[in-house]
Amino acid sequence: AQKVTQAQTEISVVEKEDVTLDCVYETRDTTYYLFWYKQPPSGELVFLIRRNSFDEQNEISGRYSWNFQKSTSSFNFTITASQVVDSAVYFCALSGANTGNQFYFGTGTSLTVIP
Amino acid sequence: ETGVTQTPRHLVMGMTNKKSLKCEQHLGHNAMYWYKQSAKKPLELMFVYSLEERVENNSVPSRFSPECPNSSHLFLHLHTLQPEDSALYLCASSQQGTGKTYGYTFGSGTRLTVV
Repeated sequence: AQKVTQAQTEISVVEKEDVTLDCVYETRDTTYYLFWYKQPPSGELVFLIRRNSFDEQNEISGRYSWNFQKSTSSFNFTITASQVVDSAVYFCALSGANTGNQFYFGTGTSLTVIP
Repeated sequence: ETGVTQTPRHLVMGMTNKKSLKCEQHLGHNAMYWYKQSAKKPLELMFVYSLEERVENNSVPSRFSPECPNSSHLFLHLHTLQPEDSALYLCASSQQGTGKTYGYTFGSGTRLTVV
């Protein structure tokens, strides 16, 4: 079964604090892809990152960083020095190589950054 | 402008009405999707059109009817909806390739309210 769990429903932080959004996944596929999307109040989901299951190297992009650990089936997302513009709902998603058309999304984490 | 355009942005309809949601992608992708986003639930995949084949979620009621006249356009025809169908309907597109899964590009969604 394919499943993505985002246990944190809502998080509030004060501007400039660091925040980590958790994502835990389940899959039987040996080749799979993990994604993070951001959904601002305007509604569209914005692609942030794609990671394949063979690449466990952590990635940093500006204030964003991702920690992929196959041993714990986690793909956590950290925002450093948060800003008000980071306020959004963030979704983690999984797609197996054998189910290329099927994305499995978590329920999302709503992040509010307080000025 | 995200490359995937959805119209209308907002729609209020009575339970006896018939309406259609429209999605257009300008990215040359070969797959398009309809997702339903309800409050505090994972995004629900409704329909997939990949290489002009339709894959659907069998739990989607027949009052939702998709149409994909070509690889750039996708419609969702609605009739005799129920209040619980009120949600954000998101269209997405992607490029599907052998052995690879690419991220989706989402539209801004149509906020549907059934009264």
